[in-house]
Amino acid sequence: DQQVKQNSPSLSVQEGRISILNCDYTNSMFDYFLWYKKYPAEGPTFLISISSIKDKNEDGRFTVFLNKSAKHLSLHIVPSQPGDSAVYFCAARINNNDMRFGAGTRLTVKP
Amino acid sequence: EPEVTQTPSHQVTQMGQEVILRCVPISNHLYFYWYRQILGQKVEFLVSFYNNEISEKSEIFDDQFSVERPDGSNFTLKIRSTKLEDSAMYFCASVQGGEKLFFGSGTQLSVL
Repeated sequence: DQQVKQNSPSLSVQEGRISILNCDYTNSMFDYFLWYKKYPAEGPTFLISISSIKDKNEDGRFTVFLNKSAKHLSLHIVPSQPGDSAVYFCAARINNNDMRFGAGTRLTVKP
Repeated sequence: EPEVTQTPSHQVTQMGQEVILRCVPISNHLYFYWYRQILGQKVEFLVSFYNNEISEKSEIFDDQFSVERPDGSNFTLKIRSTKLEDSAMYFCASVQGGEKLFFGSGTQLSVL
């Protein structure tokens, strides 16, 4: 089951620069997309989300972009901070049912 | 902030044994989930539970797995006869009815 894909297992950026994490999906029925952040030995925590009727949602340093025609979404973090270093999971949901997760991208922000 | 709690944080068991993983979802939440993450792999959906019954389950959730909400607060995942490949971090999650899942910190299950 590869409905949600994160093709980059890792990403390294310099503090202060932009981090761009990408996610692709195959199921056009997904109506809601979310990004979760996970630190070691902790459960994923919600970061930001976007409805399928929008193409952008911004919350402080975090912006999620949705391109429905390409079935692609991305998370932009700017400026990146060392505390942002974590594994980021893209997730997609259909009608309050199960949420499908990508494999995750490990972001490392270097001071 | 309210949180989802899971116990134990680590569980070691012998292959073929039964294990019960426990979760206390956030009290006013209505939907409950189990996910798992095998080391180095993605977070995988197992099952969702609403109104005292399973609403959705994945192909991973076979006859060896069951879930129960025995009282108003606990939500348990039982694996009847554990296999080596069941070794993973198991996450419980709950949501009131919106989109944002709240996850517990997980139970690391090791099957020897």
